[in-house]
Amino acid sequence: KQEVTQIPAALSVPEGENLVLNCSFTDSAIYNLQWFRQDPGKGLTSLLLIQSSQREQTSGRLNASLDKSSGRSTLYIAASQPGDSATYLCAVRVAGNTPLVFGKGTRLSVIA
Amino acid sequence: NAGVTQTPKFQVLKTGQSMTLQCAQDMNHNSMYWYRQDPGMGLRLIYYSASEGTTDKGEVPNGYNVSRLNKREFSLRLESAAPSQTSVYFCASRAEGADGYTFGSGTRLTVV
Repeated sequence: KQEVTQIPAALSVPEGENLVLNCSFTDSAIYNLQWFRQDPGKGLTSLLLIQSSQREQTSGRLNASLDKSSGRSTLYIAASQPGDSATYLCAVRVAGNTPLVFGKGTRLSVIA
Repeated sequence: NAGVTQTPKFQVLKTGQSMTLQCAQDMNHNSMYWYRQDPGMGLRLIYYSASEGTTDKGEVPNGYNVSRLNKREFSLRLESAAPSQTSVYFCASRAEGADGYTFGSGTRLTVV
């Protein structure tokens, strides 16, 4: 059974810092991995998706990397802003038509 | 706006009452999903439907039933609500062959 772990569970940083969120998964035979953002009381917004054959994806100040063999992904946020405060969720898909398996998320607070 | 619509947004039930959570998408997506999100537990899959006419159990199906009424709609029914079913419920959909998921804004359910 695929299990996804996110560390740390919560993180508080001052504005302007670069930061890394970590995600690990137990079964390296994944189809793809996605990072989502969730604001309090809201739904999920997809940030980045990495296919199993890719090493990284970038969108603006966000960069996600994937090391499938070691079962790890990182989400790098550059020059953090208070607007980045949210919960970040990592999710993996094991095969083409299977549902996403989610980690428990990292709650990020960026302090002005 | 196109997307996934969940109704109701909030609901309070008494133990033993029944209710149906509605989900509809207007993107012609084949696959639809129901997740629940509890504090500290991340999102856990309840049921999913890979295509119209099919449904499958997820990680936590006990106490729930689903109906894929047509391609657009996927409902989740609680026959006899229990306090353990207090949670935020998210519906999601995905197009066949695509990687991106679209999430609804959630239904916050409290069972007293």
